[in-house]
Amino acid sequence: GEDVEQSLFLSVREGDSSVINCTYTDSSSTYLYWYKQEPGAGLQLLTYIFSNMDMKQDQRLTVLLNKKDKHLSLRIADTQTGDSAIYFCAERRSSGNTPLVFGKGTRLSVIA
Amino acid sequence: DADVTQTPRNRITKTGKRIMLECSQTKGHDRMYWYRQDPGLGLRLIYYSFDVKDINKGEISDGYSVSRQAQAKFSLSLESAIPNQTALYFCATRGGITGNNEQFFGPGTRLTVL
Repeated sequence: GEDVEQSLFLSVREGDSSVINCTYTDSSSTYLYWYKQEPGAGLQLLTYIFSNMDMKQDQRLTVLLNKKDKHLSLRIADTQTGDSAIYFCAERRSSGNTPLVFGKGTRLSVIA
Repeated sequence: DADVTQTPRNRITKTGKRIMLECSQTKGHDRMYWYRQDPGLGLRLIYYSFDVKDINKGEISDGYSVSRQAQAKFSLSLESAIPNQTALYFCATRGGITGNNEQFFGPGTRLTVL
């Protein structure tokens, strides 16, 4: 399809791991991004992965990229209440100067 | 100071009024964008600009217009506001073609059209 797809909601218990999944559209996309939007705020870049990588780890965050299936995931270890937010997946398509294409966002709720 | 600022942060207006939302950036980026966010619909691109002489329509440009007054300024206008334009509006900027091409977002403008 043409859209970047994400599930809309995810609920986890504090201390558990969260996994947010995304499917993107362009197998030639060069960069894939995860943005975080906290309540009442704009989007901030959380992490990104270049298309020649399979995995990227940054403290509690692990990004996995499966280019064959055009699947991206974000794993948050030891999820905290402060991780409650909306998480957006985005791709930079290969067609030159086009803007980033965003998914609809996954709302993560962390239950204490 | 914030790199991308938006004014106003909140606005309530009436149907038929003309509204302008302003965006300024201090990052020196060429690329600027306007999005709207609606619950369950994510971010939808309204207009974007690659420099002061370049304006492009996004997926939902009807009912909106933009002006790129300078490299640092990109304003969004609603010519005659209607209630279904009630939404959260974000401005964003992006640098050149090197690096990770991160888009930086402003804090958003919450617009309510009565």
